[in-house]
Amino acid sequence: AQTVTQSQPEMSVQEAETVTLSCTYDTSENNYYLFWYKQPPSRQMILVIRQEAYKQQNATENRFSVNFQKAAKSFSLKISDSQLGDTAMYFCAFPNNAGNMLTFGGGTRLMVKP
Amino acid sequence: DSGVTQTPKHLITATGQRVTLRCSPRSGDLSVYWYQQSLDQGLQFLIQYYNGEERAKGNILERFSAQQFPDLHSELNLSSLELGDSALYFCASSLTSGRAGGELFFGEGSRLTVL
Repeated sequence: AQTVTQSQPEMSVQEAETVTLSCTYDTSENNYYLFWYKQPPSRQMILVIRQEAYKQQNATENRFSVNFQKAAKSFSLKISDSQLGDTAMYFCAFPNNAGNMLTFGGGTRLMVKP
Repeated sequence: DSGVTQTPKHLITATGQRVTLRCSPRSGDLSVYWYQQSLDQGLQFLIQYYNGEERAKGNILERFSAQQFPDLHSELNLSSLELGDSALYFCASSLTSGRAGGELFFGEGSRLTVL
């Protein structure tokens, strides 16, 4: 069974600073995607960023970037210039072999402080 | 707005009762997924439908069932409710699978409280 582990239940960061959220996963597959989802207090899940395992270049979406280390099965999310609106739960997710379900990590609750 | 619509947003009911949660996927999406989010279990995959057919089943209890109709909307039926069924139930839809990098678009969830 696939596992996705987020080892930081809670984190906080000062506005405008940088924070990194950790995620590790377990798979025997070689090509796959990894996802980070954000769940703000409004509770809707929103895709933040995705990474294809075959690509060596780390994905970047504006202030959000990943540090993908395939050999270590590590997929961390870096948020630069943190904003108050980044306050949310963040979930790392990994699809199963058929791609028809995502396994989510336990989540990291991020608080951005003014 | 993700384009996925879930009703009701909130539901309070008693143990032993039966409820139905409804989901309308994004226009054009054929896949519908149901997830349960509870404090102790996190986000758990329940079931997936693709164009009316069940495609994958996760940790869905026998007391729960789902279906996808010809117009692609889906319903999740929860029966003989127990206190532990209190959770946020998400519906999501997608155009392609996660293996192809497909994004899941989530609804706002239905908050079920069983008293």
